[in-house]
Amino acid sequence: DQQVKQNSPSLSVQEGRISILNCDYTNSMFDYFLWYKKYPAEGPTFLISISSIKDKNEDGRFTVFLNKSAKHLSLHIVPSQPGDSAVYFCAAPSAGGTSYGKLTFGQGTILTVHP
Amino acid sequence: DVKVTQSSRYLVKRTGEKVFLECVQDMDHENMFWYRQDPGLGLRLIYFSYDVKMKEKGDIPEGYSVSREKKERFSLILESASTNQTSMYLCASSLWGGRLNTEAFFGQGTRLTVV
Repeated sequence: DQQVKQNSPSLSVQEGRISILNCDYTNSMFDYFLWYKKYPAEGPTFLISISSIKDKNEDGRFTVFLNKSAKHLSLHIVPSQPGDSAVYFCAAPSAGGTSYGKLTFGQGTILTVHP
Repeated sequence: DVKVTQSSRYLVKRTGEKVFLECVQDMDHENMFWYRQDPGLGLRLIYFSYDVKMKEKGDIPEGYSVSREKKERFSLILESASTNQTSMYLCASSLWGGRLNTEAFFGQGTRLTVV
């Protein structure tokens, strides 16, 4: 049962344009979401997060939007740069008991930004 | 600077061998995780530990075991390596203490090939 889903395996964008990466979740108990970025042969690094008490969180060129009723979140990168080319994962932590902090990840979306 | 260090970047092992993957973190984190990353499947949780000597199975524990004798060290053991365990293995750690402290820090990954 895939509780966090990224249905687009890849996305190709021109430099300077907006990149929009999408993520859907099925577990209504999730109330905090994170985006990670991963380059080949490196571990994922944290990018941005959002709590369910908000519907938007911005950090420089990166903005995450949360639509709780649709169980959907998206990551916007504006403007996109070639260095943003990487795999992007959305993730949500389990809540309760000893499972605090256990992250469930989506399948990832490969973003390619062309110069 | 926070650090999660995995003992090997690349490993090649033979089918049937017992394989040890080691991970050390210097952030005094309670939680430690082992994930594997495969194309199209994202990061899947193998095992999780929230304290010394404590462990929980993740989504795909079959064929693996773990050991956490010290807070900073979390080992993943492949009891009898098989070719379907060829993958990128990622160790991570995070604070225990609630949803807002669930950012996980990852090691650089170990690319394991079983031949």
